Amino acid sequence: EPEVTQTPSHQVTQMGQEVILRCVPISNHLYFYWYRQILGQKVEFLVSFYNNEISEKSEIFDDQFSVERPDGSNFTLKIRSTKLEDSAMYFCASSYWPTSGGAGQETQYFGPGTRLLVL
Amino acid sequence: QKEVEQDPGPLSVPEGAIVSLNCTYSNSAFQYFMWYRQYSRKGPELLMYTYSSGNKEDGRFTAQVDKSSKYISLFIRDSQPSDSATYLCAMRGNTGKLIFGQGTTLQVKP
Repeated sequence: EPEVTQTPSHQVTQMGQEVILRCVPISNHLYFYWYRQILGQKVEFLVSFYNNEISEKSEIFDDQFSVERPDGSNFTLKIRSTKLEDSAMYFCASSYWPTSGGAGQETQYFGPGTRLLVL
Repeated sequence: QKEVEQDPGPLSVPEGAIVSLNCTYSNSAFQYFMWYRQYSRKGPELLMYTYSSGNKEDGRFTAQVDKSSKYISLFIRDSQPSDSATYLCAMRGNTGKLIFGQGTTLQVKP
């Protein structure tokens, strides 16, 4: 069964450093998402991406964050200058469509996550 | 008022019990309702998906949505130790942005 993959599984970085988290969405999916989950807290939406553009972003997704689909298979999240509070689990998700009347094609499938620790 | 509220538990039940998990929400624009299961340090896995109000059954799992009360439920029949996980409700309106509940940690004891 197709699945979303993410690398690395764990990343430790120093405050102020740049990190790039990588995701390979399901191959025929068109919509891509990043969420994060701070330890003990809710899963929070960061950004959605379609057709090489950001579709929607949350207040968390400030100028320190960027997303890119550099080729036909990868989807990346870059944090330019990491802060302590960026420590979290980052999940990538993908779907075929973002919305529909319940046909299921909009189901978001999540990857296993990248655990980011900023020291 | 939080957009989505979910009792974090933990909830501990004996094997074979019926489990009831619930979420309330405040945003009447939500139309799509999901339950995800999350094992420790793993990504959320979709269990059930419901559009608008009504019931949906899949094996031992039943999802209910009551939009008039802004209340959704997940029932697990004949619970098994392998059902031990965190259950997340999630919902959205007309965009792809999912809003999650806090998650309820369930332990099913043999």
